[in-house]
Amino acid sequence: SQQGEEDPQALSIQEGENATMNCSYKTSINNLQWYRQNSGRGLVHLILIRSNEREKHSGRLRVTLDTSKKSSSLLITASRAADTASYFCATDAYNQGGKLIFGQGTELSVKP
Amino acid sequence: DTGVSQDPRHKITKRGQNVTFRCDPISEHNRLYWYRQTLGQGPEFLTYFQNEAQLEKSRLLSDRFSAERPKGSFSTLEIQRTEQGDSAMYLCASSLKGGRMNTEAFFGQGTRLTVV
Repeated sequence: SQQGEEDPQALSIQEGENATMNCSYKTSINNLQWYRQNSGRGLVHLILIRSNEREKHSGRLRVTLDTSKKSSSLLITASRAADTASYFCATDAYNQGGKLIFGQGTELSVKP
Repeated sequence: DTGVSQDPRHKITKRGQNVTFRCDPISEHNRLYWYRQTLGQGPEFLTYFQNEAQLEKSRLLSDRFSAERPKGSFSTLEIQRTEQGDSAMYLCASSLKGGRMNTEAFFGQGTRLTVV
């Protein structure tokens, strides 16, 4: 089974609103990464957050990590139509030998 | 272009035929991964290499799938006797592994396989 589980599976918002996606995982991690995928394309890396970090920012993106709850969230502020994509979390866990395991993703639709 | 490149981008094949995909990772990256993705799903791990050594192969992967990374550079993924269920996007990624920490993975655009 997948290590990461994203919630919600689908999210539809208006341009300018904030979008929050959550990821839960099962085992201790080295780091957790968020990726974006436009339809039919490859994945683009957004942010990597290490297990000893609690929050990271990159432009309009904010990622938090709560290792006690084994969860992470991705916040996109002031969303744009161009943010429409699928978003995946991926874990690099201690018992995974260094490979990344992906969740099922959140499909975000930002309406202009 | 110094990103991960995959070839071909699209492949249509008849059931029972063999296909081979190629991935050229970012040159200084020692880790190379293969994933498979079907519509509406997250990438599913297939196998990965550190340099030329294949470290792990998914238990979900049948014996019809084989991957190589000669000399720790490019990699090939071969599927023998293709089945319709093999239709998917095959993604390659590379990263730099140092100690217990792993850096972000960079993905290619994928090879979309259609088995008819």
